[in-house]
Amino acid sequence: SAVISQKPSRDICQRGTSLTIQCQVDSQVTMMFWYRQQPGQSLTLIATANQGSEATYESGFVIDKFPISRPNLTFSTLTVSNMSPEDSSIYLCSGTSSGDEQFFGPGTRLTVL
Amino acid sequence: GENVEQHPSTLSVQEGDSAVIKCTYSDSASNYFPWYKQELGKRPQLIIDIRSNVGEKKDQRIAVTLNKTAKHFSLHITETQPEDSAVYFCAAPYNTDKLIFGTGTRLQVFP
Repeated sequence: SAVISQKPSRDICQRGTSLTIQCQVDSQVTMMFWYRQQPGQSLTLIATANQGSEATYESGFVIDKFPISRPNLTFSTLTVSNMSPEDSSIYLCSGTSSGDEQFFGPGTRLTVL
Repeated sequence: GENVEQHPSTLSVQEGDSAVIKCTYSDSASNYFPWYKQELGKRPQLIIDIRSNVGEKKDQRIAVTLNKTAKHFSLHITETQPEDSAVYFCAAPYNTDKLIFGTGTRLQVFP
């Protein structure tokens, strides 16, 4: 299984600012995803990070708010732009090589004041 | 699109008892069903999964069953221990590689 790390592990930000979260996988994965998990809730898929092309966003999420990059098969970033308190959440990246088993990063806990 | 329902939302059992969590899905094309365990403050961890060509899979104290006709799958934990206490999520795929997660079950095992 792939080992996935994220930076930062947590951050406290002021409203109106932006934060970029990094996701690093220790081996090449075919697919990478970004999820949001609000306190006590399930995981909600934000987007699929496509290598070398624009990410594919789920309903309710847009590129202007959550720009995503994936320059290669082991790295991706998610930016949370123009933050508001409603963006306070845990953001997780995941990866899969087989197309089935998905493994998650440890998450980034974001608090927006 | 896929829709996944999970029950119960909370489950309390005595140590040594069994726990069962059930999920239903809507997309008949789904063929892979993972279960994740998430401890407080930790990442979701894949604990077991099942593919649609089998009806049951076991790994020590945990097992998953799948009923494709009824479109439901269940997680069974036997001889529960306090360290089994966590939130458990089922998931089902849509659009090939994406996963839709259930709402989660908070399992508490009392010593």
